[in-house]
Amino acid sequence: KAGVTQTPRYLIKTRGQQVTLSCSPISGHRSVSWYQQTPGQGLQFLFEYFSETQRNKGNFPGRFSGRQFSNSRSEMNVSTLELGDSALYLCASSLEKGGEKLFFGSGTQLSVL
Amino acid sequence: GEDVEQSLFLSVREGDSSVINCTYTDSSSTYLYWYKQEPGAGLQLLTYIFSNMDMKQDQRLTVLLNKKDKHLSLRIADTQTGDSAIYFCAESTNDYKLSFGAGTTVTVRA
Repeated sequence: KAGVTQTPRYLIKTRGQQVTLSCSPISGHRSVSWYQQTPGQGLQFLFEYFSETQRNKGNFPGRFSGRQFSNSRSEMNVSTLELGDSALYLCASSLEKGGEKLFFGSGTQLSVL
Repeated sequence: GEDVEQSLFLSVREGDSSVINCTYTDSSSTYLYWYKQEPGAGLQLLTYIFSNMDMKQDQRLTVLLNKKDKHLSLRIADTQTGDSAIYFCAESTNDYKLSFGAGTTVTVRA
């Protein structure tokens, strides 16, 4: 069974641009979650989706948004990028419930210059 | 509230046992997890324990849970160089997310 797939693996953007990250969950998994990992703040929860509905959102500004498609694939978008948005963005999937037995992808390393 | 704490570093000799400790504050935690992260990689789910259990053993890994003290530990028997990584403790409640500790960097020396 293929694991969680995230694309792209690396991304370099400049301040003010926007970015879209993609995540394909493990086949059969319907919940997709996103986390931001930085050296200073550690792992911070962004949002969780199930059946195209956002069930929970972390404490991030409105520039961070996401969505889930009917095939459970998910995207997250960050608009008006800031230097502090540089981070590893991790996607995770689980069968039904974000927070239960999450399996993570390798992440997208975003650098904002 | 959610607050997961771990010690930041652990150095262990190859072949010895490693013990990584974690404390959490949310008494409504349902599951508690241990994840491993190697350089440049995502998080690998190592093991987990349901909140009504005291202990879980899985090959070289033993998880102990003291719910009264909100203390979780991970013991790795016969630690190998491939066990060098960052280990994260995490708790889940009923709000569809995990709260992570800051991670313990385990260094295995020959």
